[in-house]
Amino acid sequence: EPEVTQTPSHQVTQMGQEVILRCVPISNHLYFYWYRQILGQKVEFLVSFYNNEISEKSEIFDDQFSVERPDGSNFTLKIRSTKLEDSAMYFCASSYGTNEQFFGPGTRLTVL
Amino acid sequence: GNSVTQMEGPVTLSEEAFLTINCTYTATGYPSLFWYVQYPGEGLQLLLKATKADDKGSNKGFEATYRKETTSFHLEKGSVQVSDSAVYFCALSEGSGGYNKLIFGAGTRLAVHP
Repeated sequence: EPEVTQTPSHQVTQMGQEVILRCVPISNHLYFYWYRQILGQKVEFLVSFYNNEISEKSEIFDDQFSVERPDGSNFTLKIRSTKLEDSAMYFCASSYGTNEQFFGPGTRLTVL
Repeated sequence: GNSVTQMEGPVTLSEEAFLTINCTYTATGYPSLFWYVQYPGEGLQLLLKATKADDKGSNKGFEATYRKETTSFHLEKGSVQVSDSAVYFCALSEGSGGYNKLIFGAGTRLAVHP
């Protein structure tokens, strides 16, 4: 069964450093998303991406964040200068456009 | 804006007990509704969904009915197992066309004891 994969599973970084979180969505999916979950809190929408551009972004997704689909298979989330409050679990999701989103296992980001 | 409210946890039950996790929503229009489950150390898995009023979603013994009149989508299971211990998230989809972002509730932790 096809699945969404994410790497790395855990990323530790120093405050102010850049991180790139990687996702490989399901191959025939067209819509891509990033969500985050701060420990013990609800899952929050960050950004959606379709046809090589951002469809919508939340207020969390400020200028420090960017997304890219560099090669037709990977979908990346970059945080330019990490802050302590960026520590969270980041989930990638994809869909074909039928409402149902398939989630990856997540990347736990720890900013020290 | 749209929102989802879930009952607070944790919910602690004995094996074979009946489970209800309440979920209500606020939305303009007619969103699709979902329950996702997060097992310890894992990501989110879709448990069930309903796309229109009076639809019943079901999977693995869990059920939820889309009630427009009460704006609710309560999750139920007749007999829980220890393996059902997880965090359950109610969500609605917001958007148009093929793109839909999900709005999640805060999650309800379920602990089932033998």
